[in-house]
Amino acid sequence: EPEVTQTPSHQVTQMGQEVILRCVPISNHLYFYWYRQILGQKVEFLVSFYNNEISEKSEIFDDQFSVERPDGSNFTLKIRSTKLEDSAMYFCASSAGREQPQHFGDGTRLSIL
Amino acid sequence: DQQVKQNSPSLSVQEGRISILNCDYTNSMFDYFLWYKKYPAEGPTFLISISSIKDKNEDGRFTVFLNKSAKHLSLHIVPSQPGDSAVYFCAANTAYGGSQGNLIFGKGTKLSVKP
Repeated sequence: EPEVTQTPSHQVTQMGQEVILRCVPISNHLYFYWYRQILGQKVEFLVSFYNNEISEKSEIFDDQFSVERPDGSNFTLKIRSTKLEDSAMYFCASSAGREQPQHFGDGTRLSIL
Repeated sequence: DQQVKQNSPSLSVQEGRISILNCDYTNSMFDYFLWYKKYPAEGPTFLISISSIKDKNEDGRFTVFLNKSAKHLSLHIVPSQPGDSAVYFCAANTAYGGSQGNLIFGKGTKLSVKP
C-alpha cells in the first residue's frame, strides 16, 4: 500500500539554526499538509499546499516557516532560525482530494537544543 | 480553542467486547469527520470517515455514527482485539465547504484491549 515517507526520523539542531524536514507524499495525491504535535498536546495544522502554492496556513505558520515542492515527488518544510518551542513531532500528510482522507507519514521528531 | 473534544483520555476494554470511543464538536460548519489510530513512534493511520450527509458508516469491525443535532460522533469497534490498543484521534474539517481540508484534531483517547 502506498505511504507517505518522512526523513529524517529524528533531527537535533541548535537553536537559531535552519532545518529542512522532508516528505515524499503518495504519488497520485494532489493536496499536501504539514502538522505538528508538541509533546502532550494535540496534533495542530500548520499549512496546506495545492497546485504549487500555499492554500491555507495557521497562525503557527509565521515568517519563520516555508514550504516547497522542489520537484515532482518531494514536499519540504523549512524552519529558519529555530526556537526552543519548535521542538515537536512534525507530520506530513497528503490526500487525493479535499473530501478524501489524509494519509500521514510517521513524522520527524525535531529537538531544538 | 477546543472545536473537537475527546473527553475520555483512556478506555479499557476486554478482548471480544465492544469499544466505544466518543467525540464532540462545536463547529457546526464541520462536514467531514475522520478517525485515526496512532501507535507510539508512528504517524496517525486513517481508519474510517463519514460525511455530514450520513449518520453511519461501516467498515469491517469499525463503525462510525454521527449525530449532527448533538454534534457528537462515536467509533464502535466490534469485536475488540489486543492489536487495537492505540491512541484514537477524532478529526474534523470543512472539506465540502470550500476549505483546503485542514484537519482539527481532538486530544485522543488511549484504548487498551485486554486479553
